[in-house]
Amino acid sequence: SYELTQPSSLSVSPGQTARITCSGDVLAEKYARWFQRKPGQAPVFLIYKDSERPSGIPDRFSGSSSGTTVTLTISGAQVEDEADYYCYSAADNNVIFGGGTKLTVL
Amino acid sequence: QVQLVQSGAEVKQPGASVKVSCKAFGYTFTNHAVHWVRQAPGQRLEWMGWINAANGNTKYSQKFQARVTITRDTSASTAYMELSSLRSEDTSVYYCARDPGDCSTMSCYNFEHWGQGTLVTVSS
Repeated sequence: SYELTQPSSLSVSPGQTARITCSGDVLAEKYARWFQRKPGQAPVFLIYKDSERPSGIPDRFSGSSSGTTVTLTISGAQVEDEADYYCYSAADNNVIFGGGTKLTVL
Repeated sequence: QVQLVQSGAEVKQPGASVKVSCKAFGYTFTNHAVHWVRQAPGQRLEWMGWINAANGNTKYSQKFQARVTITRDTSASTAYMELSSLRSEDTSVYYCARDPGDCSTMSCYNFEHWGQGTLVTVSS
């Protein structure tokens, strides 16, 4: 079965660039999506088709793909970007989620 | 704006069923599919299934196929997820999420808008 691997945590200072990776064999054939989740809030959809950004998502959030790894990049991370970030993909009529990355911005 | 508002927290006994609702605001309910996703404490997120809000077609994850039923009431712009034969491992936060499309084509599984989550606790 497919698996997606993310680093469990990442810490950056405000204004720095945060890069969160997501790796898995399924990503060589299927698109990745990303969303952000903060405690007590509804998750926010950030990226689809590896690198497309829904309307309303700030352009400091971007996605890229290379082989079996996709990367969510937050350029100029802000304190309000502190959250959990999840990648996921869909294959064989199922959805596979990464384990999530806790981003600390301080 | 688009909003999905879920029903409140539930406490259920093992063996019982739970039905969680997801009421849609700010868009034409029947133009989109609604997914259900859950996360148990310390576990990964799990996709449970989706419903095409227009025609009621559903697709379920193989893991939950035997125990989950997703329905909708178009007059109330509300989707429902019912999980039966509850066990302690079903203690989770359950989310609904709207797809940009209706999942009748290959384009699906973009969880564009989410509900706030509903905590279901299974305990005797």
